[in-house]
Amino acid sequence: DARVTQTPRHKVTEMGQEVTMRCQPILGHNTVFWYRQTMMQGLELLAYFRNRAPLDDSGMPKDRFSAEMPDATLATLKIQPSEPRDSAVYFCASGPYATGDGYTFGSGTRLTVV
Amino acid sequence: AQKITQTQPGMFVQEKEAVTLDCTYDTSDPSYGLFWYKQPSSGEMIFLIYQGSYDQQNATEGRYSLNFQKARKSANLVISASQLGDSAMYFCAKNGADRGSTLGRLYFGRGTQLTVWP
Repeated sequence: DARVTQTPRHKVTEMGQEVTMRCQPILGHNTVFWYRQTMMQGLELLAYFRNRAPLDDSGMPKDRFSAEMPDATLATLKIQPSEPRDSAVYFCASGPYATGDGYTFGSGTRLTVV
Repeated sequence: AQKITQTQPGMFVQEKEAVTLDCTYDTSDPSYGLFWYKQPSSGEMIFLIYQGSYDQQNATEGRYSLNFQKARKSANLVISASQLGDSAMYFCAKNGADRGSTLGRLYFGRGTQLTVWP
């Protein structure tokens, strides 16, 4: 089965440090999403791309978060500087242009900022 | 913002019984899709089933079926013959209109924790 690959699976970092999360979408999928999951807020959309172009990053704190797709096989989410309130599970998901097959999620990156 | 409501924070069902997980949504989109995802304790998000707003028949996928009532804006998930492995968090989601695409961002409900007991 095709998979969305996220790295790292777990990350513990100190406040103020830079964190970079990576995602390899399924080959041929042209839409890539970044979601954050917390107990308080549930699943929140941070940003998404279609054909590598950013379509919506309104859910992202712009002063510290950035999302990019340098090529079709890699999406990155960067936090600089990180804060304890950024502790969450970050999911990447990808999907084809128009389908009822749903989006495929990666296994997530569990981030802990101490 | 589009609102997805799952009113049942937790549900319990005995093994082999059927269970219905509720989901209602707000929308003015002429065309949209509804999704259900399962999140077991391991944390991954597993796609279960999809219903298009113009589909004439309710979607089915193995033991999963979607009770879609468009006028009521509800899309309840029915799991038949529950198994212990069905214990998980279940999320209802709807995609938003996105520049003519039917595959915009997903809006998620807060989830229902299903526990299947022997």
